[in-house]
Amino acid sequence: GAVVSQHPSWVICKSGTSVKIECRSLDFQATTMFWYRQFPKQSLMLMATSNEGSKATYEQGVEKDKFLINHASLTLSTLTVTSAHPEDSSFYICSASGSGKRFSYEQYFGPGTRLTVT
Amino acid sequence: GQNIDQPTEMTATEGAIVQINCTYQTSGFNGLFWYQQHAGEAPTFLSYNVLDGLEEKGRFSSFLSRSKGYSYLLLKELQMKDSASYLCAPMDSNYQLIWGAGTKLIIKP
Repeated sequence: GAVVSQHPSWVICKSGTSVKIECRSLDFQATTMFWYRQFPKQSLMLMATSNEGSKATYEQGVEKDKFLINHASLTLSTLTVTSAHPEDSSFYICSASGSGKRFSYEQYFGPGTRLTVT
Repeated sequence: GQNIDQPTEMTATEGAIVQINCTYQTSGFNGLFWYQQHAGEAPTFLSYNVLDGLEEKGRFSSFLSRSKGYSYLLLKELQMKDSASYLCAPMDSNYQLIWGAGTKLIIKP
C-alpha cells in the first residue's frame, strides 16, 4: 500500500509558540491532502483539505489563521499551529489521496502527530 | 444532515465471529470505507464497497446495501490483535469521507 509519513510523531511545546507538522507521501503523488484532529475517544474531525498549489479549504469552525496549511508540492503538506494553547493539544493526522493508487479517492493515513501544549 | 450510526462498543471472544453494523445518511454517495484504528494510532484501510453486496478479504468481509444506507463489517476467527476501533466512513457527493466515532471492539480470551 501507499506510504504516508508524518514528522514529528510527537511534540511538546509551550503555550504561545508555533509548531509545524510535516506530511509526506513517499511513493505516490498526492493531489489532495487532508488534515484531521482527533481528541481522545472522539471521531476524526476534518480540519481542512488542500490540493497541490492551491489554498486549503477549511471546515467550519477551524481558524485558518491559526492552523496554516501549505501544500507546496505533490509530496509534501505542512500544518503549522500558530500561538498554540493547551486546548490545541490533540492527535493530528494527515492523509493523502492521488491518482494511480488502488482507489483514486482512498485516503492513506500518516501515523499521526501527538501535540501537547503546556 | 449527514450522520453515521455504529454501536459504541462491542465485546467478543477470541476465535469467534463478530458483525459490526453501520447505518449512514449522506448527501450523495460514492462508496463506503471501513478503517481499523488501534489506540493512539492512525486509521488503516480495511475495505471499500461501492456496489451492493459482500466483499470478502481473508478474515474480514464487508457488506453494503445502498438502498438501506447500511453496511456491516464481519470479522472471523477473531484474534487478540483485532481489539481496536472500527470506523465506518461513507463518501459523500464531494468525495469527502464522513466519520463517526467508530465501534470499539474488545476481544476477550
